[in-house]
Amino acid sequence: AQKITQTQPGMFVQEKEAVTLDCTYDTSDQSYGLFWYKQPSSGEMIFLIYQGSYDEQNATEGRYSLNFQKARKSANLVISASQLGDSAMYFCAMREGLDSGGYNKLIFGAGTRLAVHP
Amino acid sequence: DAGVIQSPRHEVTEMGQEVTLRCKPISGHDYLFWYRQTMMRGLELLIYFNNNVPIDDSGMPEDRFSAKMPNASFSTLKIQPSEPRDSAVYFCASSSIYNDIWRTFGSGTRLTVV
Repeated sequence: AQKITQTQPGMFVQEKEAVTLDCTYDTSDQSYGLFWYKQPSSGEMIFLIYQGSYDEQNATEGRYSLNFQKARKSANLVISASQLGDSAMYFCAMREGLDSGGYNKLIFGAGTRLAVHP
Repeated sequence: DAGVIQSPRHEVTEMGQEVTLRCKPISGHDYLFWYRQTMMRGLELLIYFNNNVPIDDSGMPEDRFSAKMPNASFSTLKIQPSEPRDSAVYFCASSSIYNDIWRTFGSGTRLTVV
């Protein structure tokens, strides 16, 4: 079974609009972490935002926020006020708990390609 | 801080040749990870080290792949012999036990085996 599912292969958004990139995950651990990375066309992986499973508030980092719904096992990335430079691949990733041995293994989803149109 | 440095950025080699990818982690980071990215399989963890010791190599696809970390500032991923299906982007990443959220990736090495 897929541990991280990103159902949107591609998304587009108008500049200055908000966009939500979906991510659902599957784990039986109580302690885990969820990450979002951006991969522009140049290829590097850029860390955007992190949410711990015990964090009660949704994580925010500038224009990025993580809509964490634990019961639904979803961790959607919201980008507000999209910019042309946001065009890139976006990956959701999960780190499982110490007990399962997955603590150091970031498991990545397949990614969503976002295109921001002027 | 120069970040995680990988070399070469691009490598084209013929099938059957040995390929060595290099990585210099961020100074002070005690974890080092090697990932492979392909269209078919996405991003996969191949192996990771803690304090220069390989901890989990269960992601290494086969015996043709080997990784070493002779010291805290250098790691190699070697493929011998290389095959066309090894064509991928290989990323190295490092992190600190004190702040593993900030797992920093290198720019990757794009390997093409012809």
